[in-house]
Amino acid sequence: AQSVAQPEDQVNVAEGNPLTVKCTYSVSGNPYLFWYVQYPNRGLQFLLKYITGDNLVKGSYGFEAEFNKSQTSFHLKKPSALVSDSALYFCAVLITGGATNKLIFGTGTLLAVQP
Amino acid sequence: KAGVTQTPRYLIKTRGQQVTLSCSPISGHRSVSWYQQTPGQGLQFLFEYFSETQRNKGNFPGRFSGRQFSNSRSEMNVSTLELGDSALYLCASSGGSGERLLFFGSGTQLSVL
Repeated sequence: AQSVAQPEDQVNVAEGNPLTVKCTYSVSGNPYLFWYVQYPNRGLQFLLKYITGDNLVKGSYGFEAEFNKSQTSFHLKKPSALVSDSALYFCAVLITGGATNKLIFGTGTLLAVQP
Repeated sequence: KAGVTQTPRYLIKTRGQQVTLSCSPISGHRSVSWYQQTPGQGLQFLFEYFSETQRNKGNFPGRFSGRQFSNSRSEMNVSTLELGDSALYLCASSGGSGERLLFFGSGTQLSVL
């Protein structure tokens, strides 16, 4: 079965420190991987994606993610956290059967950045 | 370019009623999909429409249905509401065939009393 795992329910980090939000996946074939962020009472906002190419993907707001095929991971990183980065982060894999688009999401990781 | 628009933003219904949620995709996008978000089950895929045809469906009971109009706007309907249907319902649009990025609306928060 195709799935995404986010092993940490919450990540706490001090402002200015680097942050990592972990994600591992299990899919057949080549994965299409995404990170989305959700602020309170809002929808999902796209951060970055990996389809093919360089393993290090740069996205919005200074975030980046590293695709590691051997470890089936796609961890989200940022060199210096901001209080405004505090939100719920979702990793997702796109299931592509034919032309369909279906995202399977991880359970989400709440990022709390302390001032 | 306007984003994905969902209406209404909030809904309160009672058990047994039915509800219709609306989604207007980004202009030019032909694919619309729906997701349910709950604290217990997380984000789950409901269904996807492309050019007025449902091309994928998640594991939800038949009480959940949807449709897409010729202008790509979509509606989802939930009949005979249950308490467990209380959730944030998110709509996403994409360019369709070959487009690998989904853009989400702000959602409709449904509360069933």
